[in-house]
Amino acid sequence: AQSVTQLGSHVSVSEGALVLLRCNYSSSVPPYLFWYVQYPNQGLQLLLKYTSAATLVKGINGFEAEFKKSETSFHLTKPSAHMSDAAEYFCAVSERGDNKLIFGAGTRLAVHP
Amino acid sequence: EAQVTQNPRYLITVTGKKLTVTCSQNMNHEYMSWYRQDPGLGLRQIYYSMNVEVTDKGDVPEGYKVSRKEKRNFPLILESPSPNQTSLYFCASSFLATNEKLFFGSGTQLSVL
Repeated sequence: AQSVTQLGSHVSVSEGALVLLRCNYSSSVPPYLFWYVQYPNQGLQLLLKYTSAATLVKGINGFEAEFKKSETSFHLTKPSAHMSDAAEYFCAVSERGDNKLIFGAGTRLAVHP
Repeated sequence: EAQVTQNPRYLITVTGKKLTVTCSQNMNHEYMSWYRQDPGLGLRQIYYSMNVEVTDKGDVPEGYKVSRKEKRNFPLILESPSPNQTSLYFCASSFLATNEKLFFGSGTQLSVL
């Protein structure tokens, strides 16, 4: 069965610092992988998705993620955090050919001045 | 504007009193789904639909019903709500194709007393 593990339910960084949010997945077949962001009192929005075209995926708002098959990881990074990045971030996986997403538990990112 | 609309945003009810949460999308999406979000558990799928009159159970369907009589609407019905159904609920939709982006509603915070 597919599953997603996000390491760290809370991450705190200073404005301008590197953001690293960790995601590991388990899947019996090569998966599709996603990162979604949830701002306070809003629904989820897609940040980026991996579709096997390239292992380094660039998304919106300066975020990117690298698919590493050997590590079964899809960590999300941003070189320089901004106050507006404070939100909850969810990693998700789906099997190829399936619209269903399996979500991780989420990581809440706090950005301090 | 492309959107998924859920109503109501907030709902407080008592055990056993039937309720319906509505969901409507204006993007002609075939696929619609309901998720519940609980702290530390991420989002879990309740039910989904791949087209009109086609619905199926997700991972946590107990205590819920859905219907899909029209393509744009996908209501979530709680026939006899219980306190363990207190949660934040999200409706989502997408085109029925591999790896399609999910569009989420703004959520419904339900409290069952």
